[in-house]
Amino acid sequence: AQSVTQLDSQVPVFEEAPVELRCNYSSSVSVYLFWYVQYPNQGLQLLLKYLSGSTLVKGINGFEAEFNKSQTSFHLRKPSVHISDTAEYFCAVMRGSTLGRLYFGRGTQLTVWP
Amino acid sequence: DGGITQSPKYLFRKEGQNVTLSCEQNLNHDAMYWYRQDPGQGLRLIYYSQIVNDFQKGDIAEGYSVSREKKESFPLTVTSAQKNPTAFYLCASSGEGSNYGYTFGSGTRLTVV
Repeated sequence: AQSVTQLDSQVPVFEEAPVELRCNYSSSVSVYLFWYVQYPNQGLQLLLKYLSGSTLVKGINGFEAEFNKSQTSFHLRKPSVHISDTAEYFCAVMRGSTLGRLYFGRGTQLTVWP
Repeated sequence: DGGITQSPKYLFRKEGQNVTLSCEQNLNHDAMYWYRQDPGQGLRLIYYSQIVNDFQKGDIAEGYSVSREKKESFPLTVTSAQKNPTAFYLCASSGEGSNYGYTFGSGTRLTVV
């Protein structure tokens, strides 16, 4: 089975500061990578995804992520966070050989303080 | 607007009772999924279905059952055999046009009292 590691369970940060949420996955020949955001008592919303092509992917709400094949990482970044970015963020991986099955990390709670 | 509807949003159950969580989608997606979410454990796959009248166990299927009689519907039954059913349950779907992404419902919070 694919494994996904989100290295930080909680990330506190002040408003307007930059943030990086880290994600590593177990190696596979072909993977698709995703970041989702979840606000309290809601479902997950897709932030961005990497399927192929440019390794720098831009998503909604000013987030971006970079696919690094050699380090098997897909870290999420935002140059300046807002209080409204406070939420839980999930990294997910789909192996190219098992299309449709998403494997999720345990999540990172981002808390933005004023 | 197309989407996934989960109902009810909150559900209370007495120990020993079965309960069914509803999941309906109007996205014309072939695949549907049920996840369980517990604090600090991320999302764990319970069951999934890639086509009508077919479904497979996920990682934590014990104590749960599903059916997929219609493309639009994928109900989950939490049986009395599930030892720790209190959790947040999420339904998702994917299919042609979703470009491998999942669309999630808003979830059902089940509490056993």
